[in-house]
Amino acid sequence: GAGVSQSPSNKVTEKGKDVELRCDPISGHTALYWYRQRLGQGLEFLIYFQGNSAPDKSGLPSDRFSAERTGESVSTLTIQRTQQEDSAVYLCASSFPGRTTDTQYFGPGTRLTVL
Amino acid sequence: AQSVTQLDSHVSVSEGTPVLLRCNYSSSYSPSLFWYVQHPNKGLQLLLKYTSAATLVKGINGFEAEFKKSETSFHLTKPSAHMSDAAEYFCVVSAAAGNKLTFGGGTRVLVKP
Repeated sequence: GAGVSQSPSNKVTEKGKDVELRCDPISGHTALYWYRQRLGQGLEFLIYFQGNSAPDKSGLPSDRFSAERTGESVSTLTIQRTQQEDSAVYLCASSFPGRTTDTQYFGPGTRLTVL
Repeated sequence: AQSVTQLDSHVSVSEGTPVLLRCNYSSSYSPSLFWYVQHPNKGLQLLLKYTSAATLVKGINGFEAEFKKSETSFHLTKPSAHMSDAAEYFCVVSAAAGNKLTFGGGTRVLVKP
């Protein structure tokens, strides 16, 4: 597609349930990032994938959070045993490889509400 | 380590008047700096970026920003605000390693007719 897409756009779940959020990056972008945006705040980095390298998981807030990426395409962010503090908009971004100044292009986000 | 501070959480301007959004940063590396805009219920859009070329950077929709190393600032300006500029604006710094972005807390802009 023309841009980064994410699904679902909205997700409401009950505390303790697991959720999966999906990101489709721009074709050809080998770098993929997940961020979290809590209400009224800026974005927090969660995890970074670059090609076949080991992902940078330094931003994941707890072991309930994990992410996978299939090759250089789709990524899934999984949150296990969701808590109310996990409620946020989860944003995915992708960029071209190689240069640290590459622009990251963001998807529309998934709004997660944990009741 | 790197951080970004947006000095104003809210800015209110009248249509047709100048807009100034202030941003200060700290970074252990020579930084790349960005401004992103987020309209309600829409994704983040890149306005402009600084990558060690010209210190005055022009972006889309009439916005520009000036990188001042001595002041560690990257303020965003526009000479004449338009109603469509009402949105939230984020100042962002990028680390040299891994290109992880660090976001400021955001500045919400209100444009009054």
